[in-house]
Amino acid sequence: RKEVEQDPGPFNVPEGATVAFNCTYSNSASQSFFWYRQDCRKEPKLLMSVYSSGNEDGRFTAQLNRASQYISLLIRDSKLSDSATYLCVVNIATNAGKSTFGDGTTLTVKP
Amino acid sequence: DTGVSQDPRHKITKRGQNVTFRCDPISEHNRLYWYRQTLGQGPEFLTYFQNEAQLEKSRLLSDRFSAERPKGSFSTLEIQRTEQGDSAMYLCASSPAGAGNQPQHFGDGTRLSIL
Repeated sequence: RKEVEQDPGPFNVPEGATVAFNCTYSNSASQSFFWYRQDCRKEPKLLMSVYSSGNEDGRFTAQLNRASQYISLLIRDSKLSDSATYLCVVNIATNAGKSTFGDGTTLTVKP
Repeated sequence: DTGVSQDPRHKITKRGQNVTFRCDPISEHNRLYWYRQTLGQGPEFLTYFQNEAQLEKSRLLSDRFSAERPKGSFSTLEIQRTEQGDSAMYLCASSPAGAGNQPQHFGDGTRLSIL
């Protein structure tokens, strides 16, 4: 079993739709969590950190459930430009050493 | 541009050759990471430096792989006697040290193709 698991998708949604991705992690000692976005053949870019109380950045909302060891990302009013692969990232230590990445969920937003 | 810089962007070489990649982190970041990514997979951790000290190495990093960060600034990743399975995107990232959430910032990567 992989340490960080994501539904690979693809998720194909129309513009304006709301879409949610989940990510589960196996190490209960995990301390910090992030969502990254990766466009085709490009480097991963930080989308947002995930805080225990949940956090929002514009159309994006991240939630953390430590008891069930999963993280979610909600995208509202999706845009064509949201089409990308979304990577869930988990660090064991708060002052992080290595990051463990999921394999990503691919989103395609269609007109 | 003050982001993470990697060189070269692409490298094509024959099996058995040695290759070396360079990474220049964001200047105020003292942590530097190397990852490898293949199609359809997330980045896999290879190794990590804090300043010049190599603090962690993955089991993925066979004895053909070596990484250095001699002055705590730029880093090099060398692969000796390359194999076809080494074909991948090699990503470098950097982050500041300190407590709390410290996300990593990635360079554009070096895409390695072994013929």
